[in-house]
Amino acid sequence: EAGVAQSPRYKIIEKRQSVAFWCNPISGHATLYWYQQILGQGPKLLIQFQNNGVVDDSQLPKDRFSAERLKGVDSTLKIQPAKLEDSAVYLCASSLLYGGTGRNTEAFFGQGTRLTVV
Amino acid sequence: QKEVEQNSGPLSVPEGAIASLNCTYSDRGSQSFFWYRQYSGKSPELIMSIYSNGDKEDGRFTAQLNKASQYVSLLIRDSQPSDSATYLCAVNMMDSSYKLIFGSGTRLLVRP
Repeated sequence: EAGVAQSPRYKIIEKRQSVAFWCNPISGHATLYWYQQILGQGPKLLIQFQNNGVVDDSQLPKDRFSAERLKGVDSTLKIQPAKLEDSAVYLCASSLLYGGTGRNTEAFFGQGTRLTVV
Repeated sequence: QKEVEQNSGPLSVPEGAIASLNCTYSDRGSQSFFWYRQYSGKSPELIMSIYSNGDKEDGRFTAQLNKASQYVSLLIRDSQPSDSATYLCAVNMMDSSYKLIFGSGTRLLVRP
């Protein structure tokens, strides 16, 4: 079974530029998560999708970040314009379901995209 | 108040010892609890999940859950230098909806 795919692996941009990250979840996984992980910290949930609907985006800085999952499969996270403090690893994860109990709620991560804003 | 709390460490143990990692969470309605291992420069890897009170064992790993105390722990027996990593506790929390929230992680160092 193929895992979560993310691209690009690395990206360096100047502040005020825009950038987009792509994620393809594990086949059949309805729930998709985007996390931001700053060096030395735990992953911070930015947005959580169930199919193509948003479950939670309370921590997403909506003045500069946007995300979509139009067909309920692939997802794109965009930053425009980028700031220095956006330098981090952006992690995508997926699970069959969310909430409740059981192995269907186990989430698996992609390799991440390391963003450096200079 | 943080929603999932972990001691940042580092926790240093000698090879062969038991490493004990702890996590507390704020939401009493939480139902699913996970431990992830993250090596430096890599993404988190799921190593244990637990859903009901008590212990769950998988090889050298034991997860323990006490919902009344809102406490989750991970024990690593016979610790090896290859276990040196950051261990992340994650909880499926109910807010307006269920969301998967991570702690800040505990760095474990296993000394040869």
